[in-house]
Amino acid sequence: RKEVEQDPGPFNVPEGATVAFNCTYSNSASQSFFWYRQDCRKEPKLLMSVYSSGNEDGRFTAQLNRASQYISLLIRDSKLSDSATYLCVVTLNQAGTALIFGKGTTLSVSS
Amino acid sequence: DAGVIQSPRHEVTEMGQEVTLRCKPISGHNSLFWYRQTMMRGLELLIYFNNNVPIDDSGMPEDRFSAKMPNASFSTLKIQPSEPRDSAVYFCASSLPLNSWGANVLTFGAGSRLTVL
Repeated sequence: RKEVEQDPGPFNVPEGATVAFNCTYSNSASQSFFWYRQDCRKEPKLLMSVYSSGNEDGRFTAQLNRASQYISLLIRDSKLSDSATYLCVVTLNQAGTALIFGKGTTLSVSS
Repeated sequence: DAGVIQSPRHEVTEMGQEVTLRCKPISGHNSLFWYRQTMMRGLELLIYFNNNVPIDDSGMPEDRFSAKMPNASFSTLKIQPSEPRDSAVYFCASSLPLNSWGANVLTFGAGSRLTVL
């Protein structure tokens, strides 16, 4: 079983739509969670951290369910510029263990 | 801040040749990571360093791969001999010191796109 699993998509949505991505992780000891965004042929960049209580950053909302080992990202009012691949990222709680990336979910927003 | 700088940006080489990828992390960042990205496998962590010391190299595919960090401002990833299956984008990333949860924000370089013929 992969450590971090995501639906690869692609998700094709019109501008203004709401879209949600899901991610599951296998290690119950995981402590920190992030969403990164990667544009085509570019490097990944941090989109937002995911906190236990859930958190929002403008049109983006991240949720964490530790019991189900599940992370989600909700994008409201999609823009053309949101088209990218969204990577779910998990760390483990052992000191010195780094970030593990999912393979990503591709979003395409059309006008 | 120039960000994480990688070179070369693109490299095309023939099977059996030695490949050296280079990375300059952000000044003040003392954790450095090498990742490899392919369509099939996504982003895979190869190795990372804290304070120039390799901490976890369990992701290095095999003995053909080696990485060094001789000082805080420079790291190399070497493949010798290279094979076609090594074709991928290799990313270097750096971060401030990892906290006890291994949590910190990575800043990636633009990547080195390697093609082995």
